[in-house]
Amino acid sequence: QVQLQESGPGLVKPSETLSLTCTVSGDSISSYYWSWIRQPAGKGLEWIGRIYSSENTDYNPSLKSRVTMSVDTSKNQFSLKVSSLTAADTAVYYCAREVLSGPSAINFDHWGQGILVTVSS
Amino acid sequence: DIQMTQSPSSLSASVGDRVTINCRASQYISTFLNWYQHKPGKAPRLLIYAASTLQSGVPSRFSGRGSGTDFSLTISSLHPEDFATYYCQQSYSTSFTFGQGTKLGIK
Repeated sequence: QVQLQESGPGLVKPSETLSLTCTVSGDSISSYYWSWIRQPAGKGLEWIGRIYSSENTDYNPSLKSRVTMSVDTSKNQFSLKVSSLTAADTAVYYCAREVLSGPSAINFDHWGQGILVTVSS
Repeated sequence: DIQMTQSPSSLSASVGDRVTINCRASQYISTFLNWYQHKPGKAPRLLIYAASTLQSGVPSRFSGRGSGTDFSLTISSLHPEDFATYYCQQSYSTSFTFGQGTKLGIK
């Protein structure tokens, strides 16, 4: 059974860089695209970006200048860095697995429980 | 980016009711449309992918339809565990986008 677990700090200061890690169990991280998605309090879901191996990444254009993703296949983990944080980056951050289930069938079939990150001094 | 607009933003219903949630894309997305259920403090759950295909393990009271720009999710007979927020999401463009969500509450 595939499981994803986010880890990282719950509180980060403005202007600093957030670093989060998603640990995957039950499947190889090398076989799929992996995404980060966030939800600010009281708002909807926002896709941040995805990674496949260490060379293939796609980022949300609105966040591209501040986001970096990486993969550590030896630990079956992938990571997210968001720089120049502001209060607007306060959100629950989720990691998720992207699969191609068939024609027109790209979707997120497994998600982590989410981690609340607060940006505040 | 492709904008996804859901309606209504919220609705109240009773156990046993039939409810439909709508989702409109700002441009053509074929059937690259997914539906998720989200409860507070839990991971979102994939319900429907490719507009109308039921994810394994999801009850058959959930159904989806649509193509192009207009889509809908229907719950044929509400169960107590169905009260949650529902999101549509397009995967036609790599810059994936979600609808703003529809909160389904108990009447």
